[in-house]
Amino acid sequence: QAVLTQPSSLSASPGASASLACTLRSGINVGTYNIYWFQQNPGSPPQYLLRYKSDSDKRQGSGVPSRFSGSKDASANAGILLISGLQSEDEGDYYCMLWHSNSWVFGGGTKLTVL
Amino acid sequence: QVQLVQSGAEVKKPGASVKVSCKASGYTFTSYDINWVRQATGQGLEWMGWMSPNSGYTGYAQKFQGRISMTRDTSTSTAYLELTSLTSEDTAVYYCAKNAPLTGDFDDWGQGTRVTVSS
Repeated sequence: QAVLTQPSSLSASPGASASLACTLRSGINVGTYNIYWFQQNPGSPPQYLLRYKSDSDKRQGSGVPSRFSGSKDASANAGILLISGLQSEDEGDYYCMLWHSNSWVFGGGTKLTVL
Repeated sequence: QVQLVQSGAEVKKPGASVKVSCKASGYTFTSYDINWVRQATGQGLEWMGWMSPNSGYTGYAQKFQGRISMTRDTSTSTAYLELTSLTSEDTAVYYCAKNAPLTGDFDDWGQGTRVTVSS
């Protein structure tokens, strides 16, 4: 079972909110981890969005709008990227990442479509 | 402004080696770590390893142990990734990314270097 699992795709309407989940493998407790989020557009390198551990321990990437935010769902053992007020330019691939067993591990990515 | 400029595309034969460079500017090269991440066409991101340009210390993903090497030249603020014994599975875009030590804050990325392994 993969360390991090993300839904392969998600669709949402302009102006709505999108919640992208990053589920940790059973036995790995989301509460103890920093979860990082990146956005990638076709043909471009990834861009850092934010880091989230808790509401008191988080970091927003430089220039990243506040409508991008992080949270956790402890019951689902998942990190969450919430994007509010969706815009067409938010379309792209989103990856989560954490440090586990002496390695940075990426989730498989979620393709977000705004339509 | 911070820039990470990578070397150009490479085409290699199976069994060969490739060395990709990542030239840093706009910040103190030795104050931030460099990570390498690759992405096969249509696939997700795969972390390969990290290096401290200050100490030269490295950490590699287990998958690449034995055929990966990360080095640096502090006089030119350039980091290098070398991968040996290439197979078609190594065909991918390779990215360098800068982060503050002990964090995953990969704030800045290179433009990517396409490596194609084909006979």
